[in-house]
Amino acid sequence: AQSVTQPDIHITVSEGASLELRCNYSYGATPYLFWYVQSPGQGLQLLLKYFSGDTLVQGIKGFEAEFKRSQSSFNLRKPSVHWSDAAEYFCAVGTNTGNQFYFGTGTSLTVIP
Amino acid sequence: DTGVSQDPRHKITKRGQNVTFRCDPISEHNRLYWYRQTLGQGPEFLTYFQNEAQLEKSRLLSDRFSAERPKGSFSTLEIQRTEQGDSAMYLCASSFTDNYGYTFGSGTRLTVV
Repeated sequence: AQSVTQPDIHITVSEGASLELRCNYSYGATPYLFWYVQSPGQGLQLLLKYFSGDTLVQGIKGFEAEFKRSQSSFNLRKPSVHWSDAAEYFCAVGTNTGNQFYFGTGTSLTVIP
Repeated sequence: DTGVSQDPRHKITKRGQNVTFRCDPISEHNRLYWYRQTLGQGPEFLTYFQNEAQLEKSRLLSDRFSAERPKGSFSTLEIQRTEQGDSAMYLCASSFTDNYGYTFGSGTRLTVV
């Protein structure tokens, strides 16, 4: 069965510091992987996606993620965090039938001055 | 393109009442999805439509829930005889092509008192 694990419930980083949010997935076939960000009371915004090809994908707002098949991981990174990055981040895996996503439980990011 | 619109943004209802939510997808998208998100969790799949056909329903979608998408345009999600456990954010998303990342609406937050 498909599933996504985000091991870190909450992360606090200083503004300007680097960030890495972890995501591990379980899926029998080639996964379609996504990272979404959600601000309080809002819907989800797509940051980046991976379907195939280059395992390092670039997204919006300076984020990037690296697909590592051997580790079943798709970690999100940003070299320098801004205060506006404080939000909830969700990793998701999509099936090859395209009919639904499986989301992790999210990682809440706090950015301190 | 105004994105995915959901109405209302917030709904407070008494237990046992019926509620209906509306979603207007991006006009050229032929797929429409409903997800439910409870506090501290990632979104969970409820159902999806391709054009006007409802192609899949989650086990989460009890017989008190019904969704429609007449003419393949907007969609409605109705909950009959609401229960306190129905309190959640109901998210709508649409997509044009399989697995290219949904566009989510801002959601409807339902509170059942």
